[in-house]
Amino acid sequence: DAGITQSPRHKVTETGTPVTLRCHQTENHRYMYWYRQDPGHGLRLIHYSYGVKDTDKGEVSDGYSVSRSKTEDFLLTLESATSSQTSVYFCAISKGLEHTGELFFGEGSRLTVL
Amino acid sequence: LAKTTQPISMDSYEGQEVNITCSHNNIATNDYITWYQQFPSQGPRFIIQGYKTKVTNEVASLFIPADRKSSTLSLPRVSLSDTAVYYCPLGGGGNKLTFGTGTQLKVEL
Repeated sequence: DAGITQSPRHKVTETGTPVTLRCHQTENHRYMYWYRQDPGHGLRLIHYSYGVKDTDKGEVSDGYSVSRSKTEDFLLTLESATSSQTSVYFCAISKGLEHTGELFFGEGSRLTVL
Repeated sequence: LAKTTQPISMDSYEGQEVNITCSHNNIATNDYITWYQQFPSQGPRFIIQGYKTKVTNEVASLFIPADRKSSTLSLPRVSLSDTAVYYCPLGGGGNKLTFGTGTQLKVEL
């Protein structure tokens, strides 16, 4: 158990509404990540964080913002949801050193934008 | 971000050894090679990692040639429970992994 909790696990919303997904970890690890997974695309990195208030963009960051005001929480916000953001969102943490490639993933949050 | 190429799908039978190869021509010097397994409705799970040569753990072996432009995950004696999608992401700085579309392994009786 990597001590990662994602909430909500399922959400249905309408186009144009704001949505915030939360990732909570219990072990105070420095690195946290948000990925989205879509059929035919695998997992794609949205944003990541390397410490409190230190975040950076991944390969598909347009339309998303993140915040990390506490070590344990990494929030992903869709300011105005669109149907193209219907996806499964995974949070991950890295427990070890940089470049080792070992991430621990949460159970995912399934978002449907109507 | 470095790209990887894997077969889309593979079929096998219980008890057989399965080898899944991943191509990563643009691997960076400081990238580790990792493999993940994913079951439906779950997040990916780390299986094994290596930098070069061969690595073995309790579930799999990883073979990496000297040029590191490919890697092969070997699953000995697969069972039905090994049916899953397998990914070979490469890590950038800060473990920013790039996942491809993975290989769907189907194991039958």
